[in-house]
Amino acid sequence: AQSVTQPDIHITVSEGASLELRCNYSYGATPYLFWYVQSPGQGLQLLLKYFSGDTLVQGIKGFEAEFKRSQSSFNLRKPSVHWSDAAEYFCAVGITGTASKLTFGTGTRLQVTL
Amino acid sequence: NAGVTQTPKFRILKIGQSMTLQCTQDMNHNYMYWYRQDPGMGLKLIYYSVGAGITDKGEVPNGYNVSRSTTEDFPLRLELAAPSQTSVYFCASSLRGEQYFGPGTRLTVT
Repeated sequence: AQSVTQPDIHITVSEGASLELRCNYSYGATPYLFWYVQSPGQGLQLLLKYFSGDTLVQGIKGFEAEFKRSQSSFNLRKPSVHWSDAAEYFCAVGITGTASKLTFGTGTRLQVTL
Repeated sequence: NAGVTQTPKFRILKIGQSMTLQCTQDMNHNYMYWYRQDPGMGLKLIYYSVGAGITDKGEVPNGYNVSRSTTEDFPLRLELAAPSQTSVYFCASSLRGEQYFGPGTRLTVT
């Protein structure tokens, strides 16, 4: 079965600094990969997704992620963090032919200091 | 489009009570899902449905039941509430692999 690991439970960055959130997955073939963001008391919003093709994908709010097959990773990046980016971020993996079910990581909480 | 809507937003139940969490989507998606979210645990799939009349268990189905009589609605039923079911519940629907989430229901069982 597939699994997702987000090794950082909590990250603090200064506003304007760059950000990288780590995500590693375990699956034999190429999965579908997603990053979602959850603001406090809210549902999850899709930031970006990778299905195939270009391994560097752009998302909303200035986020991007790079799929690296050799490292089984799909890290999320942003060059300059804004205070409004403070939230919890979830990486998820999906597999074709499984009713689009997703397996989620345990999340990384991002705190932004001014 | 309202997207995925869930009611109620909050609920407190006593042990042994029952309730139904409502979920409706207006995007005509065939696939729908119920998750629970516990602190530090991410989201765990409870049940899912690939279309009206078809449901299947996810990772943590015990203590829950679902039905799918229409494309739009996917209610989640708790028959005998237990403290272990205290959680935040999210409903989602899917198109081409991308899931869209509702705002969640925060349930406390005491």
